[in-house]
Amino acid sequence: DVKVTQSSRYLVKRTGEKVFLECVQDMDHENMFWYRQDPGLGLRLIYFSYDVKMKEKGDIPEGYSVSREKKERFSLILESASTNQTSMYLCASSSSKLLRAPRTGELFFGEGSRLTVL
Amino acid sequence: RKEVEQDPGPFNVPEGATVAFNCTYSNSASQSFFWYRQDCRKEPKLLMSVYSSGNEDGRFTAQLNRASQYISLLIRDSKLSDSATYLCVVSAPHGDSSYKLIFGSGTRLLVRP
Repeated sequence: DVKVTQSSRYLVKRTGEKVFLECVQDMDHENMFWYRQDPGLGLRLIYFSYDVKMKEKGDIPEGYSVSREKKERFSLILESASTNQTSMYLCASSSSKLLRAPRTGELFFGEGSRLTVL
Repeated sequence: RKEVEQDPGPFNVPEGATVAFNCTYSNSASQSFFWYRQDCRKEPKLLMSVYSSGNEDGRFTAQLNRASQYISLLIRDSKLSDSATYLCVVSAPHGDSSYKLIFGSGTRLLVRP
């Protein structure tokens, strides 16, 4: 089975702190994604990557950056956390050439990281 | 207007009931459509893809109406274990040569004994 592991289930940080959210997948997937999920807004795409050292902005990249130095690892970075970044963060991966042939739509998600910024 | 819209519910139904959810999408260039299921405090998981001709997987039937830009999910003979949030997911072009998945905010289903 595909396993996507997020490093922290729950984090509490203070405004202005730098936050790292780590995600590792064990199935050699090309594509990796970071979403945030908020009540009433659904999942919104922050950044994604379809190859090592490649990254593309999603719909809400402001205030975030990402790093993909190795194929299995995709990190989300909040340079200076703010209260409006309190959310559930979900990492996902996909083996399909989803970004170029969207017929297959299976994303495998991690369990999520619930971040609270005080 | 949201790109993918769903009735948030909750839909509260007795065991054995048939329940249907609809979802509308705004981008006519969307090519692929899916239903995901998300249990409380869990991650979303793919339930089924939605094909143009409609498709069935056991008690679940998905339909696509491209002309009206809506997708439906029908659940027959509801089980307690069907209680979850059902997310409508649509692909859409992103940039020149890629696509992304757009998630609806979900419809919550509660099946009672």
